[in-house]
Amino acid sequence: NAGVMQNPRHLVRRRGQEARLRCSPMKGHSHVYWYRQLPEEGLKFMVYLQKENIIDESGMPKERFSAEFPKEGPSILRIQQVVRGDSAAYFCASLRGGNTGELFFGEGSRLTVL
Amino acid sequence: AQSVTQLDSQVPVFEEAPVELRCNYSSSVSVYLFWYVQYPNQGLQLLLKYLSGSTLVKGINGFEAEFNKSQTSFHLRKPSVHISDTAEYFCAVSGGYNKLIFGAGTRLAVHP
Repeated sequence: NAGVMQNPRHLVRRRGQEARLRCSPMKGHSHVYWYRQLPEEGLKFMVYLQKENIIDESGMPKERFSAEFPKEGPSILRIQQVVRGDSAAYFCASLRGGNTGELFFGEGSRLTVL
Repeated sequence: AQSVTQLDSQVPVFEEAPVELRCNYSSSVSVYLFWYVQYPNQGLQLLLKYLSGSTLVKGINGFEAEFNKSQTSFHLRKPSVHISDTAEYFCAVSGGYNKLIFGAGTRLAVHP
């Protein structure tokens, strides 16, 4: 199955630690989107990246959050100094390119901050 | 700016009954609309999408939706639901850069 791969699926961190979430898009897809889903809520857009470029980060918190999509390797969402409010499911989606394309979602990484 | 409102947070229904999940959108530009389904602890799977053309869109698993521009709605329907349809359903509108703006979701609970 060459779907969108996210890891880890579950991550537990204590307050103040760092969380790194990885996303490998589908083969041939060069566009990656990160979303956050808080408990009992819908998905909120965070950031859109193409290889080596952040295109739209309008949904990213201004502090502690960063994302990258290097030329080689997966996209990474990094959360520094985590707080309890960061506990959520983080979903990655990929797109081949072009307009109005379908986003393919991974199964998510569930972060729990103790 | 685009936005999506899903009017029902939960919809209980008996097996083999019809169901409609309501979605209204707000957009100042041409709209592309989507319905995704999320099963517990899984990612989102596309049910159907409206890009242009016929306003009645058929998707997977027997679902369909109708785009109504005058009412700014994109309601999801299924004539006869199964237990396996129990899931969370998200309506979404495409924003800039193909990013999706999601509604808060509707939890469909199918009872025997």
